[in-house]
Amino acid sequence: DQQVKQNSPSLSVQEGRISILNCDYTNSMFDYFLWYKKYPAEGPTFLISISSIKDKNEDGRFTVFLNKSAKHLSLHIVPSQPGDSAVYFCAASADYGQNFVFGPGTRLSVLP
Amino acid sequence: DGGITQSPKYLFRKEGQNVTLSCEQNLNHDAMYWYRQDPGQGLRLIYYSQIVNDFQKGDIAEGYSVSREKKESFPLTVTSAQKNPTAFYLCASFGRTGEKKLFFGSGTQLSVL
Repeated sequence: DQQVKQNSPSLSVQEGRISILNCDYTNSMFDYFLWYKKYPAEGPTFLISISSIKDKNEDGRFTVFLNKSAKHLSLHIVPSQPGDSAVYFCAASADYGQNFVFGPGTRLSVLP
Repeated sequence: DGGITQSPKYLFRKEGQNVTLSCEQNLNHDAMYWYRQDPGQGLRLIYYSQIVNDFQKGDIAEGYSVSREKKESFPLTVTSAQKNPTAFYLCASFGRTGEKKLFFGSGTQLSVL
């Protein structure tokens, strides 16, 4: 049973528009969340994190929103750039980093 | 420059052979992890270690072994008991001070000859 779900395997967005990537989780004990970007045959690159005491965190073009009651988080990228084309993973931990569970990823394509 | 180094980048295994993937970090992190990624799938946890000389099985530990004799090093051995070893393997470490995030190496692609 998947504890972390990313229900959209792929997403296409026009350059300059907003990209919204979604992540749902089932374990109410998760209290810390990370987003990563990954290119083929490379290690994931950290984008942004959020803890359960917050509902929003921003870093440049990236904003993560957390809705604890819905067990849902989303990553917003504004404006989207062609270099953002990659697979995006969300990850969740139940004790601020003891162990992380990853979602299956969403492939984002930003079209010029 | 602090980071995680994985080697080799590409590795080929023959039937019945054990192979070892190297992972070294100079970030002074206590926790280290091994993940496996199959095409089109997410990262699945093989083993993790929170401290030297201690490690725990992850979700898919069968056919793998690890050691943690030094803080900096967390090698993964893919044994002959792992019947489907072809995958992309990622090593990571986690720091509990400063920015709390997983730092990943660049990965090792293991293929079966």
